Amino acid sequence: SQKIEQNSEALNIQEGKTATLTCNYTNYSPAYLQWYRQDPGRGPVFLLLIRENEKEKRKERLKVTFDTTLKQSLFHITASQPADSATYLCALQTGANNLFFGTGTRLTVIP
Amino acid sequence: NAGVMQNPRHLVRRRGQEARLRCSPMKGHSHVYWYRQLPEEGLKFMVYLQKENIIDESGMPKERFSAEFPKEGPSILRIQQVVRGDSAAYFCASSEGGGASNQPQHFGDGTRLSIL
Repeated sequence: SQKIEQNSEALNIQEGKTATLTCNYTNYSPAYLQWYRQDPGRGPVFLLLIRENEKEKRKERLKVTFDTTLKQSLFHITASQPADSATYLCALQTGANNLFFGTGTRLTVIP
Repeated sequence: NAGVMQNPRHLVRRRGQEARLRCSPMKGHSHVYWYRQLPEEGLKFMVYLQKENIIDESGMPKERFSAEFPKEGPSILRIQQVVRGDSAAYFCASSEGGGASNQPQHFGDGTRLSIL
């Protein structure tokens, strides 16, 4: 069956450290993988998109890797800040345009 | 999430009533998607529409649920004869391109539907 698993439901990290979130999938062949941030009571906000033939993408303090052999994406936030505390969602996009979402990792950055 | 407007933000219905959820996409976007998020679960795709057309409704329940995106006006997700299990947050998203494009989706802040 198709599954998208995000490593842990919750992750606590000290301010200033690098947060690393994992997204593993089975029985999908995604053309693109996207990461979103969701705050309580709000809709998801797009952060980064990476194509299947790209290994890494960066945007300011964010970095995403995509390994189609391992069927895994890693999402890094460097120099983390309390304002980075939120739930982070990975989403796979196959040939069509609808997205398949993981259940998310709730990140808390402790001052 | 400025741009994609959903209303109402909260909707309370009694079992058996109808629920209508509205979504206005970002300016210039002609592709609309509806997702449902149950407590402690991930977002689940329901339906993908372009103006006046349903492109993919593979995630829609077969009965009681329908969606439209008319030439003029917002997209509407309609749930007839609501049941307790319909209680969830319903999110709408829009994108500039569609199909197999790499356009990110922009989400509204959702409608929280509660069934009494």
